[in-house]
Amino acid sequence: AQSVTQLGSHVSVSEGALVLLRCNYSSSVPPYLFWYVQYPNQGLQLLLKYTSAATLVKGINGFEAEFKKSETSFHLTKPSAHMSDAAEYFCAVSEWQGNKLVFGAGTILRVKS
Amino acid sequence: GAGVSQSPRYKVAKRGQDVALRCDPISGHVSLFWYQQALGQGPEFLTYFQNEAQLDKSGLPSDRFFAERPEGSVSTLKIQRTQQEDSAVYLCASSRRKSNEKLFFGSGTQLSVL
Repeated sequence: AQSVTQLGSHVSVSEGALVLLRCNYSSSVPPYLFWYVQYPNQGLQLLLKYTSAATLVKGINGFEAEFKKSETSFHLTKPSAHMSDAAEYFCAVSEWQGNKLVFGAGTILRVKS
Repeated sequence: GAGVSQSPRYKVAKRGQDVALRCDPISGHVSLFWYQQALGQGPEFLTYFQNEAQLDKSGLPSDRFFAERPEGSVSTLKIQRTQQEDSAVYLCASSRRKSNEKLFFGSGTQLSVL
């Protein structure tokens, strides 16, 4: 069975500081990995995805994530936080395209001015 | 349409009532997923449609839950004899192709069972 662990239910950073949101996964087969963002009163939106191509994946709004098989990790980073980045972020894994996504519990990012 | 639309936005039901939640996916999208999101948790898979065919319903928690997509577009999630543990946000998502590579989510229906 697949699973996702997101370390830290809440993360707080200052505006302009590095954003690091942690995600570790468990999968018996090569995984597809995703990061989704949810702004208040909006649907989840795809930030980026890893589907066995380049291990460093760039997404929207300056976010990127690196797939590290040896560490079973897919951490999300952004060099400089903006106030508009405040939202809830979900990491997700699936076995193959077309199948269900298994989501982590989410991390709420707070950006302080 | 501009995006995935779900209705109603909020639903309050008395325990034992039946409810029906509607999802209008983006026009032409082949795949449709339903997820359940409890407070403070990530979304959990309920069921998956490819056009009108329900290919995976392994996440439906009990036989009180039923989903359909008869014409391959609009989908309805029905919950019979609602229980308090059914209280959650129910999310619908669609994708253009036969894959989960990029899902477009609706804003969800928040169900409260009293």
